[in-house]
Amino acid sequence: EAQVTQNPRYLITVTGKKLTVTCSQNMNHEYMSWYRQDPGLGLRQIYYSMNVEVTDKGDVPEGYKVSRKEKRNFPLILESPSPNQTSLYFCASSPITGTDEQYFGPGTRLTVT
Amino acid sequence: GQNIDQPTEMTATEGAIVQINCTYQTSGFNGLFWYQQHAGEAPTFLSYNVLDGLEEKGRFSSFLSRSKGYSYLLLKELQMKDSASYLCAVTYNTDKLIFGTGTRLQVFP
Repeated sequence: EAQVTQNPRYLITVTGKKLTVTCSQNMNHEYMSWYRQDPGLGLRQIYYSMNVEVTDKGDVPEGYKVSRKEKRNFPLILESPSPNQTSLYFCASSPITGTDEQYFGPGTRLTVT
Repeated sequence: GQNIDQPTEMTATEGAIVQINCTYQTSGFNGLFWYQQHAGEAPTFLSYNVLDGLEEKGRFSSFLSRSKGYSYLLLKELQMKDSASYLCAVTYNTDKLIFGTGTRLQVFP
């Protein structure tokens, strides 16, 4: 089944404790992206990647890192999480670019206390 | 900026027709997506408009006017399961997709 998977789905952590949210797609898509969704603010792009080893900042990259060592995986890293990073996070992929239809993962609900 | 504006909330009755509007800045515009998102779930693709006009897909239709910076999503024969948020998203001359804040639609019996 063609899909985007994220792990974990739910995470509660404390300020400053490094964490990684994994994202994997099995559709051989070139483009992958991370979004956060907050009430009243909609989906905002954190980072995106056009291809392996190519990543770029979205609209809200501060406090996040990403890597794209393999085509299928695009992990999101929070080196020192803070409470303002409490949010619902979505990974997405699309065949070629960000202007294609994007396929979203199920979401990761992160709480930082 | 590239403000995308859509109403925050709408309500409608089962079986009715509802139109959700979206306006955006036209400079550098490429195309416009509509996504549906049920509470707590991932957004799913509904439509993509690049050219002016109406595109119909079953009970859902999407309209675009490039010169006016305006789009709408039309939902006919509303069903309870259509209660969801509807996200308007625009691509400009970049590889990014800019989302509006979404319109939460509640369908009542």
